[in-house]
Amino acid sequence: DTEVTQTPKHLVMGMTNKKSLKCEQHMGHRAMYWYKQKAKKPPELMFVYSYEKLSINESVPSRFSPECPNSSLLNLHLHALQPEDSALYLCASSQRTGEKNYGYTFGSGTRLTVV
Amino acid sequence: KNQVEQSPQSLIILEGKNCTLQCNYTVSPFSNLRWYKQDTGRGPVSLTIMTFSENTKSNGRYTATLDADTKQSSLHITASQLSDSASYICVVSAPNAGGTSYGKLTFGQGTILTVHP
Repeated sequence: DTEVTQTPKHLVMGMTNKKSLKCEQHMGHRAMYWYKQKAKKPPELMFVYSYEKLSINESVPSRFSPECPNSSLLNLHLHALQPEDSALYLCASSQRTGEKNYGYTFGSGTRLTVV
Repeated sequence: KNQVEQSPQSLIILEGKNCTLQCNYTVSPFSNLRWYKQDTGRGPVSLTIMTFSENTKSNGRYTATLDADTKQSSLHITASQLSDSASYICVVSAPNAGGTSYGKLTFGQGTILTVHP
């Protein structure tokens, strides 16, 4: 299994809703990531988990709350989002291979629309 | 400042033709360079990955080159197909920092390729 699986593929939520994005990988990767991508722009790093611990938070607003329950799962909890948070949210995972960070794999993404 | 510049921004070609996309980077130190294909609304899919010591890597009709001295890479697509229409992103990785288990990625802005019948 060489995939990163994200659910749901599409999500429409109101500004007062609470929802969660889910990400799963079974490649034994010990680093997992959340990215946000606006149309025609490259992905922007949001969070990095290394060995199930949050190691990087790129100054993301608290309305985005990541969680890593185990080495295969990564969640992104959403609450009180704004319309400008509408974007493609990508999950990725990678091996821990010293300086050679091979096996960096992206999921298919969740298309989020905030209304 | 680490940067990855891609050219052209967009490209239109006819089905069956070849094309070459360019990537220049200033990322230092350097770990590896990847080319990804991204369809609209989908996640990036890896095409090739090259380290400092590799100067060419092929994946089917895709061939990537790397000149680590000039910090340039290219992606050559042969016999293009309609399904090649996508954004092609050059991504450069720096070595792991601070003992963490990841490498910092620097993304290019991408080249939007459109293949017409």
